[in-house]
Amino acid sequence: DSGVTQTPKHLITATGQRVTLRCSPRSGDLSVYWYQQSLDQGLQFLIQYYNGEERAKGNILERFSAQQFPDLHSELNLSSLELGDSALYFCASSVTDRGLYNEQFFGPGTRLTVL
Amino acid sequence: AQSVTQLGSHVSVSEGALVLLRCNYSSSVPPYLFWYVQYPNQGLQLLLKYTSAATLVKGINGFEAEFKKSETSFHLTKPSAHMSDAAEYFCAVSSNTGNQFYFGTGTSLTVIP
Repeated sequence: DSGVTQTPKHLITATGQRVTLRCSPRSGDLSVYWYQQSLDQGLQFLIQYYNGEERAKGNILERFSAQQFPDLHSELNLSSLELGDSALYFCASSVTDRGLYNEQFFGPGTRLTVL
Repeated sequence: AQSVTQLGSHVSVSEGALVLLRCNYSSSVPPYLFWYVQYPNQGLQLLLKYTSAATLVKGINGFEAEFKKSETSFHLTKPSAHMSDAAEYFCAVSSNTGNQFYFGTGTSLTVIP
């Protein structure tokens, strides 16, 4: 158990809908990272937040957005969902803002299925 | 720009045999390199990382990797495979600015009893 929690574990929705994925980092970690794992795209880094501010951006679509709240939990919002958005979405956390070249602790993921 | 290439999407070894998972990187700046493992239905766990210190890096569970700049490689090895090593392994690269992170496509390791 990494100490990173993600809810929900599974999410099934329809095309065109909007969903919110939630992540609680390990106690004391200030950075949160979001990743997408799909069969065709593999594992992709989406975005990083550090202490409430966006710190790094990867291949995140404009239909997707994220934020980190004062209590340090983070939410990933996916809108106008398409079939291709079906994937496993991971959250990770680290103490510093340097998790992308240090160590990140990954949550168990949220499996999103878009029908 | 950085990227990593993992040769072999599937590798099978016998229990007790050497494990060798290949990773080659491309980076215009000194890279930070990582190996992560993903067990079924779980998140990723860091095995080891190279951050420009010793070129031979030892990780958890008996794994190690050697950074070879001349070959732009960072192959993962373990002298003797255990059944519990069966998992998906990902090589990843980041730059020293830490603002991007790229995973390889992964290698699925099967251990045959």
